[in-house]
Amino acid sequence: NAGVTQTPKFQVLKTGQSMTLQCAQDMNHEYMSWYRQDPGMGLRLIHYSVGAGITDQGEVPNGYNVSRSTTEDFPLRLLSAAPSQTSVYFCASIDRGAGDTGELFFGEGSRLTVL
Amino acid sequence: AQSVAQPEDQVNVAEGNPLTVKCTYSVSGNPYLFWYVQYPNRGLQFLLKYITGDNLVKGSYGFEAEFNKSQTSFHLKKPSALVSDSALYFCAVRGGYGGATNKLIFGTGTLLAVQP
Repeated sequence: NAGVTQTPKFQVLKTGQSMTLQCAQDMNHEYMSWYRQDPGMGLRLIHYSVGAGITDQGEVPNGYNVSRSTTEDFPLRLLSAAPSQTSVYFCASIDRGAGDTGELFFGEGSRLTVL
Repeated sequence: AQSVAQPEDQVNVAEGNPLTVKCTYSVSGNPYLFWYVQYPNRGLQFLLKYITGDNLVKGSYGFEAEFNKSQTSFHLKKPSALVSDSALYFCAVRGGYGGATNKLIFGTGTLLAVQP
């Protein structure tokens, strides 16, 4: 099992550009999430999904879109990049069979810089 | 609203000495508490969790954590620190009624530096 795979690992964008961060998991996990990590702020939840076709907003959803057409994939789209979106992004999944007490499995992260 | 606080940005300890990384929380209802570790340029890895039962929880790499309901704390401990324990540690909480572990709230992280 590869676990949770994120691409790209690094990306530089100009203000106003759009892009998609990819996330795929091969563990058949129904729950998937996107977090951003910023110095001194820990991890903040952007969007999450409890299954294919179902998504919802987290703490900081503005400027981001998600979709969940399959169990495996949960892409995060930046519609019009802003310098405030410079961050490290983490995708995570959880086994629904573990219930609400299960642990998150994280990808290795995608470092995004917006100039 | 649920929240978690890690009051120390950095903890320094000598190898072989005991270590403690502090965490306090605020939730309504019974809390589900987690510790994660992040090594440089890596994603977070699960260390341990408290759901119910014994207040002392044992996890990976010799770490343990003590749940204290009266002090609303969940401090991470290890009897003898290793240089390889140096990393960023996050406390997280899920509580209240309903919701999923997707909606874990993370602390700001504590950098543990173990000196040889």
